[in-house]
Amino acid sequence: DGGITQSPKYLFRKEGQNVTLSCEQNLNHDAMYWYRQDPGQGLRLIYYSQIVNDFQKGDIAEGYSVSREKKESFPLTVTSAQKNPTAFYLCASSAGWGAHEQYFGPGTRLTVT
Amino acid sequence: GENVEQHPSTLSVQEGDSAVIKCTYSDSASNYFPWYKQELGKRPQLIIDIRSNVGEKKDQRIAVTLNKTAKHFSLHITETQPEDSAVYFCAASTMDSSYKLIFGSGTRLLVRP
Repeated sequence: DGGITQSPKYLFRKEGQNVTLSCEQNLNHDAMYWYRQDPGQGLRLIYYSQIVNDFQKGDIAEGYSVSREKKESFPLTVTSAQKNPTAFYLCASSAGWGAHEQYFGPGTRLTVT
Repeated sequence: GENVEQHPSTLSVQEGDSAVIKCTYSDSASNYFPWYKQELGKRPQLIIDIRSNVGEKKDQRIAVTLNKTAKHFSLHITETQPEDSAVYFCAASTMDSSYKLIFGSGTRLLVRP
């Protein structure tokens, strides 16, 4: 999992602003995922991508958007439409296509006030 | 869709004792079951996983057992140490082409010195 990076580690934004979280991997993994984690809770899937230029909504996609223009990169935009954006955001990747093991980045803690 | 339930939500054990965390899943077709350990503020780390063609897997003090008939799997930690204190998540794979993981809600394990 050392090959997955997320930046920044902490992010502060005012309500009503869009913000983009970065996720990069150098593991040559095909699949990438974005999860949201709230205090004391599990991981909920926001979006995932199995291959470049393709992505699918997860369980809580409303108020979020993604792109997958390069294999190594899967940025997540938290839009002003997301009603409660303050959370810990985790990016993960897996080799894909039958390889289930997912490895996580260090996370970005987003605070919106 | 797949649903994963995890118990207990918190577990406190004396150093040296064993700890057991249990998960049940709903989709009998799921075939991959990982366990992650997450220390406070850190990324989840894959600690052990099991596939449906295996009933038990061990790695030093950690073991996972799988009962496909009952659709449950368990994490066993023996000779617990204070550094085992963390939140543990189980997960089960979906059996569509997405290779998504559905996570349990987590167990906070406290090992008392």
